[in-house]
Amino acid sequence: EPEVTQTPSHQVTQMGQEVILRCVPISNHLYFYWYRQILGQKVEFLVSFYNNEISEKSEIFDDQFSVERPDGSNFTLKIRSTKLEDSAMYFCASSLIAYNEQFFGPGTRLTVL
Amino acid sequence: GQQLNQSPQSMFIQEGEDVSMNCTSSSIFNTWLWYKQDPGEGPVLLIALYKAGELTSNGRLTAQFGITRKDSFLNISASIPSDVGIYFCAGHSPKTGANNLFFGTGTRLTVIP
Repeated sequence: EPEVTQTPSHQVTQMGQEVILRCVPISNHLYFYWYRQILGQKVEFLVSFYNNEISEKSEIFDDQFSVERPDGSNFTLKIRSTKLEDSAMYFCASSLIAYNEQFFGPGTRLTVL
Repeated sequence: GQQLNQSPQSMFIQEGEDVSMNCTSSSIFNTWLWYKQDPGEGPVLLIALYKAGELTSNGRLTAQFGITRKDSFLNISASIPSDVGIYFCAGHSPKTGANNLFFGTGTRLTVIP
């Protein structure tokens, strides 16, 4: 069964460093998303991406964040200068159509020291 | 953002018992999705609901889209130890018109063998 994959599973970085989190969405899906979950809290939306551009973003997704679909399979989230409060699980998700089921990857645990 | 409140926050049940949990919002939603999350992993989609009043089953799981469009419930029958985890409701809000999901606060289920 097709699934969303994410790498790395765990990333440790120093405050101020750049990180890139990678995702491979389900192959025939057209909509891609990033969410994050701070430990013990609910899942929060960051950004959605369709037709090679950002379609929506939340207040969390400030100028330090960017997304890219560098090729036909990968979808990346870049944090330019990490802060301590960026420590969280980051989930990639994809859906075939809008306003429909979204399928999540296993997540990348980001730890900022 | 839209607030989705889940109840109960946590529950401890004996194996074999039935479980019921709810998700409520102060505003209407266009979809209701139920996810299960195991520790350190991504949310796994259990059931998706798209119409007010819709009742859908997936094995031992049954979920309903409330007729007011402001609530949904998830029932699990004859619980087993692998049902342990955190259950999240999520949905699309017509208020924002956005394609992203808003997540509930979660219900943590513990099944005692």
